[in-house]
Amino acid sequence: QKEVEQDPGPLSVPEGAIVSLNCTYSNSAFQYFMWYRQYSRKGPELLMYTYSSGNKEDGRFTAQVDKSSKYISLFIRDSQPSDSATYLCAIGGSNNDMRFGAGTRLTVKP
Amino acid sequence: DTGVSQDPRHKITKRGQNVTFRCDPISEHNRLYWYRQTLGQGPEFLTYFQNEAQLEKSRLLSDRFSAERPKGSFSTLEIQRTEQGDSAMYLCASSLPPGGGTGELFFGEGSRLTVL
Repeated sequence: QKEVEQDPGPLSVPEGAIVSLNCTYSNSAFQYFMWYRQYSRKGPELLMYTYSSGNKEDGRFTAQVDKSSKYISLFIRDSQPSDSATYLCAIGGSNNDMRFGAGTRLTVKP
Repeated sequence: DTGVSQDPRHKITKRGQNVTFRCDPISEHNRLYWYRQTLGQGPEFLTYFQNEAQLEKSRLLSDRFSAERPKGSFSTLEIQRTEQGDSAMYLCASSLPPGGGTGELFFGEGSRLTVL
């Protein structure tokens, strides 16, 4: 079993849709939960981070963590074509040893 | 300093040759990481440094791979006797340690290796 499992894509939605991206993890010691966005042939860029269970909102993006279920989600409201990218969940422990999911490729169609 | 920089951006080499990648982290970050990413996969952890000390190496880092960070600033990743399976994007990232910041990784644009 991989340490981090991410819902496979690709995902294609119309502009304005709500997008839900999900990951599960196996190690309960993980305490850092992040979402990265990666455009084609670019390095990942940090989108959201959180350390605790619950929701964290930033504009159209909401990160949700459920430590009891070892489940994290990223919601994108009012999705835009510019949101088209691969989204990576990243989960880590106290040593900053982040483990990444395989990524979900999202396409938002105008 | 605008971010993590990596050089070269793309390297094409023949099987059996040695290659070296360089990473310059964000100047105030004392942690530096190397990841490998293949098509359709997320980044896989290879190794990380805190200052000049290499604190962890993944089992993915075979004997042909060596990473250094001699003065705690830039780092190099060398691959000896390259194989076609080494073809991938090699990503460098830097961060503050968890106690000194939020721990998020800041990535460079990557060095793409193609082994013919």
